[in-house]
Amino acid sequence: GAVVSQHPSWVICKSGTSVKIECRSLDFQATTMFWYRQFPKQSLMLMATSNEGSKATYEQGVEKDKFLINHASLTLSTLTVTSAHPEDSSFYICSAKDLTDTQYFGPGTRLTVL
Amino acid sequence: QKEVEQDPGPLSVPEGAIVSLNCTYSNSAFQYFMWYRQYSRKGPELLMYTYSSGNKEDGRFTAQVDKSSKYISLFIRDSQPSDSATYLCAMRGNYKLTFGKGTLLTVNP
Repeated sequence: GAVVSQHPSWVICKSGTSVKIECRSLDFQATTMFWYRQFPKQSLMLMATSNEGSKATYEQGVEKDKFLINHASLTLSTLTVTSAHPEDSSFYICSAKDLTDTQYFGPGTRLTVL
Repeated sequence: QKEVEQDPGPLSVPEGAIVSLNCTYSNSAFQYFMWYRQYSRKGPELLMYTYSSGNKEDGRFTAQVDKSSKYISLFIRDSQPSDSATYLCAMRGNYKLTFGKGTLLTVNP
């Protein structure tokens, strides 16, 4: 099956710093990637939809200036959490959509902001 | 009313049992239905993908969709300890996936 990777798998940072998370589709090209956030014992909540070569579409309530998304190629999307605060601590998961519209998820990135 | 309702459990069964997991939904626009398995601290893994009402079988897993009742199910036969995970139902209309909360399943040896 299709493989999606994320880097890093976990990161700890100080409050006020920025963190970049990478999402890569390893064996297929993805014109569309998605970024989700998952809090403990909660479901995945879609943050934004990332289309290659265009601006991301953010879900209601998600601050676009805080969560910067770049989808510069058909295999790479990045999420940058700017000026991170403890309430941003969460599990961030990306997914990539293949030509059949099936979404494949990455392994997730656990962010802890001290 | 939430778009997708899923009992979070937890659900604990003995090895070899038949497991039934369910979700209900309210949005008639949902056309595609999926079940994902998520192990602790990992990303979701696609298990089953269905489009129409009816049953779809893949090994020990059977997905069932009843669009008239807005109800979907996942059955796991001969459950194994390695099936212990959180199972998430997901649904899609145009492009956006909407997930249930997930049901935590434990299969005891």
